Amino acid sequence: GAVVSQHPSRVICKSGTSVKIECRSLDFQATTMFWYRQFPKQSLMLMATSNEGSKATYEQGVEKDKFLINHASLTLSTLTVTSAHPEDSSFYICSARHGSTDTQYFGPGTRLTVL
Amino acid sequence: DAKTTQPTSMDCAEGRAANLPCNHSTISGNEYVYWYRQIHSQGPQYIIHGLKNNETNEMASLIITEDRKSSTLILPHATLRDTAVYYCIVRVVGNQFYFGTGTSLTVIP
Repeated sequence: GAVVSQHPSRVICKSGTSVKIECRSLDFQATTMFWYRQFPKQSLMLMATSNEGSKATYEQGVEKDKFLINHASLTLSTLTVTSAHPEDSSFYICSARHGSTDTQYFGPGTRLTVL
Repeated sequence: DAKTTQPTSMDCAEGRAANLPCNHSTISGNEYVYWYRQIHSQGPQYIIHGLKNNETNEMASLIITEDRKSSTLILPHATLRDTAVYYCIVRVVGNQFYFGTGTSLTVIP
């Protein structure tokens, strides 16, 4: 149990375009999901907390207008990187909080490359 | 949430127990200790967590000192597939997870 999926696993896009990444909890409902970013040889950096039916809470230094988060259902959160630039190239990972255990389960990640 | 300190890297022989230490000297009474691991280019995998008592599951054992200022994750019989970065995280129930730099464990054949 406690499986989280992400789609796509890899995406390459041109500079200036927008990219949407989906995060789904497959076998449990998650009122709260989280988005992280990881640059090569670095640790995970929390970007934002996504709450079902309400606005996301962004960490300091993360631009909310650039990284749009939507959590429209108890099993789906989306991250849209708008007007992507090469410096946005990174490994994006989501997690979902399992309500009964308060443990977070992570997706497999999405590798974004902006040309 | 309290900060944690972990060694940057460790080696372990295949088949032997891997003991990964974590220092969390400023932990408060309502903070849990969580362990995750991340195999290269994958999302982190939950391993185990605990508050005061030692915990064991099918993956590992977690030993927390009586004063709760440090803990040790034990992989009883390390395999090559256990090579990963291991993160020790301390957090209050309901709070976000903030990752430190972790310990890069290499299991040697």
